Amino acid sequence: NFMLTQPQSVSESPGKTVTIPCTRSSGSIAHSYVYWYQKRPDTSPTIVIDENNQRPSGVPDRFSGSIDRSSNTASLTISGLTADDEAEYYCQSFDNFDRVFGGGTKLTV
Amino acid sequence: QVKLQESGPGLVKPSETLSLSCSVSGGSINNFYVSWIRQPVGKGLEWIGRLWPSASPDYNPTLKNRVTLSLDTSKNQLFLELTSVTAADAGVYYCAKDEWGFDAWGQGSRVTVSS
Repeated sequence: NFMLTQPQSVSESPGKTVTIPCTRSSGSIAHSYVYWYQKRPDTSPTIVIDENNQRPSGVPDRFSGSIDRSSNTASLTISGLTADDEAEYYCQSFDNFDRVFGGGTKLTV
Repeated sequence: QVKLQESGPGLVKPSETLSLSCSVSGGSINNFYVSWIRQPVGKGLEWIGRLWPSASPDYNPTLKNRVTLSLDTSKNQLFLELTSVTAADAGVYYCAKDEWGFDAWGQGSRVTVSS
């Protein structure tokens, strides 16, 4: 099976833009959709990006997703950072019936 | 809107079996997969397995030997059993509606492993 690798932590100032990468270890990043979740302490994860780049209803347009075939990497970009964005972010994809999560990235604003 | 809620004992002894249930409302489990996902203490999210009435369950290969997923369609409930638990199995266990991604999650059930 494949792995999804994320940096353990990123930090950026309020109002700025941050990008969190998620690199697939084997097989093409384009082979299966990538999803992104926001996880705050003591709360359930919530999906912020669906199917590589789709924003579910209620997610601000400051959140965007993309994939780059050349680097085999999916990315979550958050613009206009606020303190409320401080959380852990997880990417997730699948291979046949297996679901795979990245290790998570702690975003500090 | 589909809602999920986990329940179960918060404390399990080492080497014993962890049993959790997931109650689903706002939709029938006959119509979608439900996955179990956990967050071990101090670690990231880990997919455990998924289940649908019309198919065999799929399990994370690393847990396959210890996990059993089942369901009761009449009660719209799903169940997880994890055998031979150790301290590494402590954490929060979630059930989530599985549409390849997870678009609805339960609030989580915290499990402590201790004698």
